[in-house]
Amino acid sequence: SQKIEQNSEALNIQEGKTATLTCNYTNYSPAYLQWYRQDPGRGPVFLLLIRENEKEKRKERLKVTFDTTLKQSLFHITASQPADSATYLCALGGSSGSARQLTFGSGTQLTVLP
Amino acid sequence: DTGVSQDPRHKITKRGQNVTFRCDPISEHNRLYWYRQTLGQGPEFLTYFQNEAQLEKSRLLSDRFSAERPKGSFSTLEIQRTEQGDSAMYLCASSLGNRGYEQYFGPGTRLTVT
Repeated sequence: SQKIEQNSEALNIQEGKTATLTCNYTNYSPAYLQWYRQDPGRGPVFLLLIRENEKEKRKERLKVTFDTTLKQSLFHITASQPADSATYLCALGGSSGSARQLTFGSGTQLTVLP
Repeated sequence: DTGVSQDPRHKITKRGQNVTFRCDPISEHNRLYWYRQTLGQGPEFLTYFQNEAQLEKSRLLSDRFSAERPKGSFSTLEIQRTEQGDSAMYLCASSLGNRGYEQYFGPGTRLTVT
């Protein structure tokens, strides 16, 4: 069956360190993968998109990698700040003939400690 | 504010009642999506519109759920004969056609069925 797994536990890191979040998937062939941030009681906010033919994308302090052989994406936040504390969701798109439907993981709750 | 808006933000209803939610997407976006999210889980796809046409529906979508987008602008999601298992956050998102795959989410409507 299809499955998307993110870090199984909440992640706590010290301010200034790099946070690394993982997204692993099975039985999917996504055309692209997206990362979203979600704060409590609010809708997800789009952060980055990476396509199947891309290895790495960067945006300011954010970096995402995509390995279709390993079926894994890594999401990095460098020089982390307490304001980065949130739940981060990975989402796969373009699978199973559906160009637009996103399938989300359950998220990783990140806490950056001051 | 030109983001996605949803109304109401909170809805408490008794089991067996019908409820209707509204979503106003970003004005130039022709694609509109509905998701459901329960605590500790990522958003789960329900249905998707391109303009006024409903192009995809999740196989998990019960026949008690119906969605419309009559003029290709705002959308409504109706749940008939609500059940306690319908309690969740209902999220709406929109995106801009062929210009990109990122989705812009509204704040959600939190439904509690008692």
